[in-house]
Amino acid sequence: GAGVSQSPRYKVAKRGQDVALRCDPISGHVSLFWYQQALGQGPEFLTYFQNEAQLDKSGLPSDRFFAERPEGSVSTLKIQRTQQEDSAVYLCASSLVTGGFFNEQFFGPGTRLTVL
Amino acid sequence: AQSVAQPEDQVNVAEGNPLTVKCTYSVSGNPYLFWYVQYPNRGLQFLLKYITGDNLVKGSYGFEAEFNKSQTSFHLKKPSALVSDSALYFCAVRDDAGAGSYQLTFGKGTKLSVIP
Repeated sequence: GAGVSQSPRYKVAKRGQDVALRCDPISGHVSLFWYQQALGQGPEFLTYFQNEAQLDKSGLPSDRFFAERPEGSVSTLKIQRTQQEDSAVYLCASSLVTGGFFNEQFFGPGTRLTVL
Repeated sequence: AQSVAQPEDQVNVAEGNPLTVKCTYSVSGNPYLFWYVQYPNRGLQFLLKYITGDNLVKGSYGFEAEFNKSQTSFHLKKPSALVSDSALYFCAVRDDAGAGSYQLTFGKGTKLSVIP
C-alpha cells in the first residue's frame, strides 16, 4: 500500500511569508508525528497527534509554528512569518497504534523548506 | 530526560567486511531503542528495534543490534557489508519513564560508506 506522502517536496519562501506543509499518513494510522531535521542533524520532535487530538506540542520552536489534523487523517504544519532559521527538512511520520511508544514509525520523504 | 549519542560522524568499511555503527543512550527508566536508515532524498526507513527480551535483535537487510544495559549501548552490526548499505544511519531512543511524553530522540547520524 501507499506510504506516507508529503507535499510539497520542496518549498522556497521569502522571509516573512507564511507556509503550509501537508502530510498524508498511511491509512488507518492513529499516531502522527512531525519532526524538523536541520542540515547534518538528526530529526527533532515537533509535535504529536493521536487521531485529531494534538497531545504533545512541546517541540514546536515558537508560536509561529502551528499544526493541525482536524479529521484525524491529513495533517498540516503551518509556519507563519518564516525566518531563515526555519530552513530545514520537515518530516512527517505515522504509526499504527496509539502513542507508538514501541512501534516503528513510518516516515514520509520530507519537505525541504528554504527561507531566503 | 532522554538522549542518544552516535560518536562517529562517518564509518568507512570495505565491502564484505563486518560493520559496526555505534550508539549509546541515556534514559531515566527503561529504553525503547530503534535504528533507522536514510537514503538521499528519501525518508527514514525502520531497520530494527529493542523493546525487551533478547539482547540481540535481528532486523531488515541482514542488520542486527546488540543491547548492552551495563554499557548503555545499542550498536548496529552486519557480518558482511554491501556497497548498497552506504547511507546515513540514525539511532533513536524513547524512555519508558517519560509518561506523557511521545518524543523519540534521535542521534545526529552516522554516515556509512562501504568501499568496493
